[in-house]
Amino acid sequence: GNSVTQMEGPVTLSEEAFLTINCTYTATGYPSLFWYVQYPGEGLQLLLKATKADDKGSNKGFEATYRKETTSFHLEKGSVQVSDSAVYFCALTDSSYKLIFGSGTRLLVRP
Amino acid sequence: DAGVTQSPTHLIKTRGQQVTLRCSPKSGHDTVSWYQQALGQGPQFIFQYYEEEERQRGNFPDRFSGHQFPNYSSELNVNALLLGDSALYLCASSFGLAVRDGETQYFGPGTRLLVL
Repeated sequence: GNSVTQMEGPVTLSEEAFLTINCTYTATGYPSLFWYVQYPGEGLQLLLKATKADDKGSNKGFEATYRKETTSFHLEKGSVQVSDSAVYFCALTDSSYKLIFGSGTRLLVRP
Repeated sequence: DAGVTQSPTHLIKTRGQQVTLRCSPKSGHDTVSWYQQALGQGPQFIFQYYEEEERQRGNFPDRFSGHQFPNYSSELNVNALLLGDSALYLCASSFGLAVRDGETQYFGPGTRLLVL
């Protein structure tokens, strides 16, 4: 079945460091891909999305490119801040109407 | 513009009891989806309601049931609670069924259920 695999955390970085969180997927057809972020004690917020191959989603300095050839959607940010500390979830939708999530990657940014 | 709201925020039940969780979608949205998020895991899809009908269901037993009202709000009911039902229950709303096309699902803050 369709699935999402994320790198295990926690990822610990110093402020202003470069961030990459890897995400790969398995899906039939042409899924849409998403990154959601969950801050402590809160629900999920959509960070960015891409609906077709080679699309780049971007928001708040974060970027991810839909790579069909490598079935990947890696999240990147050039300079992280302490306020970026959260859990990041990669997700996809397939031919149905539900979101399929990865297990999440916790990011901790130190001052 | 109110976002997705859920009630209650926290709940403690004992095994065998029944629980009802509630969700009000974001203004203008007509579709509600429910997810279960166990500690340290990603959310798992339970089911989705549109036009007051269950449109899709994940791999959850019949103990999990739901309802959608004419005002688009929704309830999630869980019968015969098990310890393993302890989790954060998230409600998400969207417009129509076009999630596959990238239509954004907006999530509420969740209800944290603890089963003792």
